[in-house]
Amino acid sequence: EAQVTQNPRYLITVTGKKLTVTCSQNMNHEYMSWYRQDPGLGLRQIYYSMNVEVTDKGDVPEGYKVSRKEKRNFPLILESPSPNQTSLYFCASSWAENSNQPQHFGDGTRLSIL
Amino acid sequence: GENVEQHPSTLSVQEGDSAVIKCTYSDSASNYFPWYKQELGKGPQLIIDIRSNVGEKKDQRIAVTLNKTAKHFSLHITETQPEDSAVYFCAASKISGGYNKLIFGAGTRLAVHP
Repeated sequence: EAQVTQNPRYLITVTGKKLTVTCSQNMNHEYMSWYRQDPGLGLRQIYYSMNVEVTDKGDVPEGYKVSRKEKRNFPLILESPSPNQTSLYFCASSWAENSNQPQHFGDGTRLSIL
Repeated sequence: GENVEQHPSTLSVQEGDSAVIKCTYSDSASNYFPWYKQELGKGPQLIIDIRSNVGEKKDQRIAVTLNKTAKHFSLHITETQPEDSAVYFCAASKISGGYNKLIFGAGTRLAVHP
């Protein structure tokens, strides 16, 4: 089954304690992206990756890092989490041909930073 | 940059009625307009999309219309059913740097009452 898998699904942690949210897709997609979803703001892009070892900032990258060492994985790293990063996070993937392609989303990770 | 406004933020209908969600976008270069449905505890799922060379697209009870001149597009759901209850997001996209950057609306929470 084609899918995007995120882990963990829920996490409560404290300010300053480094955490990583993993994302894996089994569709061999080149393009992967991270979004955060906040009430009244929709989904906003944090970082994206066009392919292995190619990453770039989205609209709200401050406080986040990513890496793309393998095509299937795109982890999101919060080196020093703060309460304003409490949010619902989604990973997505798609083909990266030079035409608009539908994005496939994971089921989300709800982070609470105390 | 692109900005997408979505209305209404909440919509309540009786089963069997129609539901309409409207979005406007700011960047006239946008050429791809997907709609996503997000059920509780799940990630957004693509339900229908339309490209700028088409004015209308229909898939069973769901239809999307696009008015490029006015820069707005709408989702129409006919004969609504309780399982249509979800949050719906519109998005606008154009190819930038070799990939389609999605800008999302803030979402519409649709409640269908039996």
